[in-house]
Amino acid sequence: DAKTTQPPSMDCAEGRAANLPCNHSTISGNEYVYWYRQIHSQGPQYIIHGLKNNETNEMASLIITEDRKSSTLILPHATLRDTAVYYCIVRAQAGAYNFNKFYFGSGTKLNVKP
Amino acid sequence: DVKVTQSSRYLVKRTGEKVFLECVQDMDHENMFWYRQDPGLGLRLIYFSYDVKMKEKGDIPEGYSVSREKKERFSLILESASTNQTSMYLCASTLGGGGWQPQHFGDGTRLSIL
Repeated sequence: DAKTTQPPSMDCAEGRAANLPCNHSTISGNEYVYWYRQIHSQGPQYIIHGLKNNETNEMASLIITEDRKSSTLILPHATLRDTAVYYCIVRAQAGAYNFNKFYFGSGTKLNVKP
Repeated sequence: DVKVTQSSRYLVKRTGEKVFLECVQDMDHENMFWYRQDPGLGLRLIYFSYDVKMKEKGDIPEGYSVSREKKERFSLILESASTNQTSMYLCASTLGGGGWQPQHFGDGTRLSIL
């Protein structure tokens, strides 16, 4: 699975958009990009995933560059409760019995400030 | 929404005890996983299961065993607890039928072995 690179920390003002970057320059054509976050003392929470196209759900938007070597997670209106560590994970679509071991790196600590 | 429930948030046990960690999911997911999370090491896969009574070793299975007697329940067993098994333990589940499905995590059990 492709390695990902994320900044260790970012600040964002409450109510503003938070844009979290992720580099995955060695990504292969069949590898998906997943985003999770982990709020202190809780389990990781799935946010969104994508392959080629940009994706949006009720939590966030995922923008993937045309060459797929990087992506950005966008929280459109950050709140204090969005303060968490955000993980970008890239992994291939597995076969029927080749399961998706998710490798969580260090992630980005997002600090949302009042 | 997917619900993955771990039986205890905090647990304190003594060295040499047999410890059971329980995980239940309510979405009829085929695949279930046990991870441990330690500072600086990220999430590491201990065991996973793709069906009732089926299990596969992950990256760090030594000192652990698992049981999956029913589809919704996946138990992690520390055969003889040791202090180096003090950690945050996370259970996850996902649908079968292909590896792109995101994993959904419980809130974790913080286990201390004294």
